[in-house]
Amino acid sequence: AQSVTQLGSHVSVSEGALVLLRCNYSSSVPPYLFWYVQYPNQGLQLLLKYTSAATLVKGINGFEAEFKKSETSFHLTKPSAHMSDAAEYFCAVSAPRGGANNLFFGTGTRLTVIP
Amino acid sequence: EAGVAQSPRYKIIEKRQSVAFWCNPISGHATLYWYQQILGQGPKLLIQFQNNGVVDDSQLPKDRFSAERLKGVDSTLKIQPAKLEDSAVYLCASSLGGGWDTDTQYFGPGTRLTVL
Repeated sequence: AQSVTQLGSHVSVSEGALVLLRCNYSSSVPPYLFWYVQYPNQGLQLLLKYTSAATLVKGINGFEAEFKKSETSFHLTKPSAHMSDAAEYFCAVSAPRGGANNLFFGTGTRLTVIP
Repeated sequence: EAGVAQSPRYKIIEKRQSVAFWCNPISGHATLYWYQQILGQGPKLLIQFQNNGVVDDSQLPKDRFSAERLKGVDSTLKIQPAKLEDSAVYLCASSLGGGWDTDTQYFGPGTRLTVL
């Protein structure tokens, strides 16, 4: 079975500060891992994904995440927060089998950026 | 390239009524997904289609929920009868459907359902 845990339902950072959103996963098979962002009244947009290639994954808008198997983690970071980064962020895991490609999402972390 | 389209965007009904949601995936995407996102939670998969066939509906409450994708393009999700706990945002997503390393799911804006 696959699942993810996102530590911290709300995170606040100052504009220009480091953004760190935490995600730990559980998977019985080698996982694929994803970070999605959701702006108010919009659908989810893919930020980045890990599919067993390089462990450091770079995404859009300056975000990156590092897959650490020993820690079962896939934390999302950005060196300098921008006001436009304020949104809800979801970590997700999948383990494609056969034709099914179910994404299992965490409960989300709401990022607030303080001017 | 047009994204995933969903309608209506908002729907308010009373319990025990019926409701239907529509989704038009990105052109050429073989795989279509319906997710339920309850307030304060992450999305949960309800059903996955590959073309017009069901791949995974293990989490679909089949006593009241149904979905179809008759021509392998548009899809409809129906709830009959609705319960209070069905209040949620219903998200549709689509993907090309081949090669897991590149098969990204693209999400529509969702339909927000309120059951009174």
